[in-house]
Amino acid sequence: QKEVEQDPGPLSVPEGAIVSLNCTYSNSAFQYFMWYRQYSRKGPELLMYTYSSGNKEDGRFTAQVDKSSKYISLFIRDSQPSDSATYLCAMKVDSSYKLIFGSGTRLLVRP
Amino acid sequence: EAGVAQSPRYKIIEKRQSVAFWCNPISGHATLYWYQQILGQGPKLLIQFQNNGVVDDSQLPKDRFSAERLKGVDSTLKIQPAKLEDSAVYLCASSPGPGYEQYFGPGTRLTVT
Repeated sequence: QKEVEQDPGPLSVPEGAIVSLNCTYSNSAFQYFMWYRQYSRKGPELLMYTYSSGNKEDGRFTAQVDKSSKYISLFIRDSQPSDSATYLCAMKVDSSYKLIFGSGTRLLVRP
Repeated sequence: EAGVAQSPRYKIIEKRQSVAFWCNPISGHATLYWYQQILGQGPKLLIQFQNNGVVDDSQLPKDRFSAERLKGVDSTLKIQPAKLEDSAVYLCASSPGPGYEQYFGPGTRLTVT
């Protein structure tokens, strides 16, 4: 079993839709949770960063962490074609520990 | 601010050949990371440097992979000899220190035939 599981997609939605992306994990020691966006032929870029449980909002993006279920989510409101990319979740045990990435979900937002 | 630079962007080699990748991190970033991203998978950390010292190389296949960061700035990652399963994108990232946000370069796409 992988430490971090993520549905590879692709997930295809119409422009303006609310998108829900999810990851599950097995290591209860994970404390720091991140979402990265990776465009084709580019490196990942950090979107959201959450410590422990709870919600965090940044513009159209909301990150949720449910440590009791070992489940994290990223919601994208009013999705745009420019949101089309692969979304990677990542997590780590403590602030300086190495990142463990999920395999990524490919999102396509249709105009 | 200039981002993380990597070269070459693409490389095709035959198995058993050797190859080297170069990374120039963001100026002032003390921590440098090399990741391997196989198609359809997330990045996997190969090695982490703090200045010119190795912090974590537990997932680096040391029989064929080597990396160095002379003078604590640029870094090179070498594969010798390459295998078919080494086909992947090799990403370099840097951060001001351990635990800070990592900034990724565009990667080097390696194809081993």
